[in-house]
Amino acid sequence: NAGVMQNPRHLVRRRGQEARLRCSPMKGHSHVYWYRQLPEEGLKFMVYLQKENIIDESGMPKERFSAEFPKEGPSILRIQQVVRGDSAAYFCASSPAGIYPGQLSLAKNIQYFGAGTRLSVL
Amino acid sequence: RKEVEQDPGPFNVPEGATVAFNCTYSNSASQSFFWYRQDCRKEPKLLMSVYSSGNEDGRFTAQLNRASQYISLLIRDSKLSDSATYLCVVNKAISRAGNMLTFGGGTRLMVKP
Repeated sequence: NAGVMQNPRHLVRRRGQEARLRCSPMKGHSHVYWYRQLPEEGLKFMVYLQKENIIDESGMPKERFSAEFPKEGPSILRIQQVVRGDSAAYFCASSPAGIYPGQLSLAKNIQYFGAGTRLSVL
Repeated sequence: RKEVEQDPGPFNVPEGATVAFNCTYSNSASQSFFWYRQDCRKEPKLLMSVYSSGNEDGRFTAQLNRASQYISLLIRDSKLSDSATYLCVVNKAISRAGNMLTFGGGTRLMVKP
């Protein structure tokens, strides 16, 4: 059972170019989350998606960033007109379907992470 | 106030030592709690879930104090391989966002020979 797959692992872009990061969730998972981690800093939530829906994008910058999770295919995080400050590790995570409150459903709330995409903007 | 607060460390301890990390969270409605581990330049990985009654997994013990909104992780007999950043993680407990997790900034542990 493959885990969360992200590609590419490393991406180099020049300022002004577009970056497209892909994430395939674990089999059976329909919830995807994107996080950004700047060097020597913690994980920052960006966006939470289910198939064809954005559930929460409170962590997404207002401009240049967009995310989708189509009915078929991987989730895509798209960064237009990249700037040097976009250089970071971008992690994708997935979790099983549904909302499960309570201690007995801890397993359903666990997020499993991909290996990340390291974006470098020259 | 941050939603999840941790002492960033670093904690420098000798092999074999016992070390404890603490974490506080602000949302009293949160119901799911975890510790994740992140190695340098790697993705976070689940270390253990935290149950209300406390739980143990080998050398690792997690405790939850709901009244004080406080979570702890105890590592006994530290190994060199325990060197990593430990992330305290809490769910957001908002109806549509039940699956959303908030990550603390992490506590860095360095175990020395």
